[in-house]
Amino acid sequence: DAGVTQSPTHLIKTRGQQVTLRCSPISGHKSVSWYQQVLGQGPQFIFQYYEKEERGRGNFPDRFSARQFPNYSSELNVNALLLGDSALYLCASSLAGSGVGDTQYFGPGTRLTVL
Amino acid sequence: AQSVTQLDSQVPVFEEAPVELRCNYSSSVSVYLFWYVQYPNQGLQLLLKYLSGSTLVKGINGFEAEFNKSQTSFHLRKPSVHISDTAEYFCAVPSGGYNKLIFGAGTRLAVHP
Repeated sequence: DAGVTQSPTHLIKTRGQQVTLRCSPISGHKSVSWYQQVLGQGPQFIFQYYEKEERGRGNFPDRFSARQFPNYSSELNVNALLLGDSALYLCASSLAGSGVGDTQYFGPGTRLTVL
Repeated sequence: AQSVTQLDSQVPVFEEAPVELRCNYSSSVSVYLFWYVQYPNQGLQLLLKYLSGSTLVKGINGFEAEFNKSQTSFHLRKPSVHISDTAEYFCAVPSGGYNKLIFGAGTRLAVHP
């Protein structure tokens, strides 16, 4: 079975631009979460979506937004990019949306570089 | 609020030696704990998780962890490491009643021949 897939693998943007990152969850998983991992740090939670509804939001500015589609895939959008947005963006999927013990399966990530 | 602290940023060790990576947690509610591994230029892979029951949890690749409520710890151990275990290891705890994970800063395990 295919794991969580993310596209693109790498992305280079300039300050002020907008970017869209994509994630396809494991088949049968209805929950998708997004994390930002700055170099040398642990991942930081951005959003969780379950059944196309936002279930949780981390401490990120409104420049960050996301959505989930009927097929449970998801997009993360970041507007007005700043140098500090350079990071590895990880997508994770899980079966359910509210089980705190529910295992999250991570994709390989999208490496975003903002120049 | 839940949080985790990984006490060592880097752990160098020789091949076939034992290793322990330390994690302490802070939680006011029932505790669930996870260890993830991140190999260079890859995403995170679940090593093991503690939800309830036996305090000794066995995971993949020969790793195990022990949940210690009195010491609020969840240290990861392996009796004999391989070069291929070189990676970043993250301890994590759920927060907020949904699938939000709070990660520690990570421990870089460097296995030397």
